[in-house]
Amino acid sequence: AQSVTQPDIHITVSEGASLELRCNYSYGATPYLFWYVQSPGQGLQLLLKYFSGDTLVQGIKGFEAEFKRSQSSFNLRKPSVHWSDAAEYFCAVPDKLIFGTGTRLQVFP
Amino acid sequence: GAGVSQTPSNKVTEKGKYVELRCDPISGHTALYWYRQSLGQGPEFLIYFQGTGAADDSGLPNDRFFAVRPEGSVSTLKIQRTERGDSAVYLCASSLAVGITYEQYFGPGTRLTVT
Repeated sequence: AQSVTQPDIHITVSEGASLELRCNYSYGATPYLFWYVQSPGQGLQLLLKYFSGDTLVQGIKGFEAEFKRSQSSFNLRKPSVHWSDAAEYFCAVPDKLIFGTGTRLQVFP
Repeated sequence: GAGVSQTPSNKVTEKGKYVELRCDPISGHTALYWYRQSLGQGPEFLIYFQGTGAADDSGLPNDRFFAVRPEGSVSTLKIQRTERGDSAVYLCASSLAVGITYEQYFGPGTRLTVT
């Protein structure tokens, strides 16, 4: 069965610093992978998705993710974090979505 | 346009009671999903509908949980004889159709607390 693992429960960064959130997947074939963000009081929002092709995927809000088959990873990155990025981030596989346990991002001014 | 809406936003009920949670999907979306998110966890799939029919209910934890979508639009998740372990945020999502290429749009959720 497909699954994703997010090793980091909680990450704290300073505003303006770079960010990388880790996601490892377990799937035999080429996986489809998603990153979602859940802000307080708001619904889950799709940040980006990988289906095939270019392994570097651009998403909304300045986020990107890189698919690395050799490492079974699909890490989310942002070069400069803003205070509004503080939220819970989930990696997921389709199609009835299977989510990881999430990483809570805290941003300090 | 309007997104997915869920009512109520919060529901507190006593152990053993019956509750109904409602989901209004985006107009025109034929697929509708229910998830449950416990504290500190990612959402877990419960059931999804294609039109009026439940296409996959494999995530429902037991027979106390039931969901309907009689007219292919609004859906209701029904929980009988609630238990304290049912306390969670129940999320609804809809998509234009079923399939991995169709983005699921999520509602804000209903926080259920069973006392």
